[in-house]
Amino acid sequence: DTAVSQTPKYLVTQMGNDKSIKCEQNLGHDTMYWYKQDSKKFLKIMFSYNNKELIINETVPNRFSPKSPDKAHLNLHINSLELGDSAVYFCASSWTGDGYTFGSGTRLTVV
Amino acid sequence: QKEVEQNSGPLSVPEGAIASLNCTYSDRGSQSFFWYRQYSGKSPELIMSIYSNGDKEDGRFTAQLNKASQYVSLLIRDSQPSDSATYLCAVYTGTASKLTFGTGTRLQVTL
Repeated sequence: DTAVSQTPKYLVTQMGNDKSIKCEQNLGHDTMYWYKQDSKKFLKIMFSYNNKELIINETVPNRFSPKSPDKAHLNLHINSLELGDSAVYFCASSWTGDGYTFGSGTRLTVV
Repeated sequence: QKEVEQNSGPLSVPEGAIASLNCTYSDRGSQSFFWYRQYSGKSPELIMSIYSNGDKEDGRFTAQLNKASQYVSLLIRDSQPSDSATYLCAVYTGTASKLTFGTGTRLQVTL
């Protein structure tokens, strides 16, 4: 039973399209995150939710909109996709202040 | 100065040797430190956490923390080819509950 599951695993789409990535955790953690890993493998936080409340919103274009319907789910919607959005997006969860458990990642390619 | 700094490598060690991976951080108030292992094309996996000065051992892995020097390291004894991966140092920084990652050190264990 996967602890943090993300779908889809791969996403290839054209510029200008809108896409969503879904994440679910069954660990009972209170905090969920979205991280972006670029081509140089640098992991940078985008958003964090604690018990459905947005607590971290880094400098991310407002084309990116997270949504947490409950504390086990965190989705990421991206409008008007650009070439520079191509990256691997990781969902993660944790207890506040503890180490993360990552999902398997979504490799987004914008063409 | 980057918040979390690592040498990108690659660090090449022969099989059976000790691999030493280093990380420095800028926030003196940081209290929690983690090491993640990331195989190519996979998600980061938590391998060690350390919260107080000194050494913490888990199997072949030893994490070392020196808060006065703002330095955390990971030693891998009896290195195996399966240890070849990128090792990410992560630190809770600032007042917000988020992990800040270093850029990672690529380790190659040679036969």
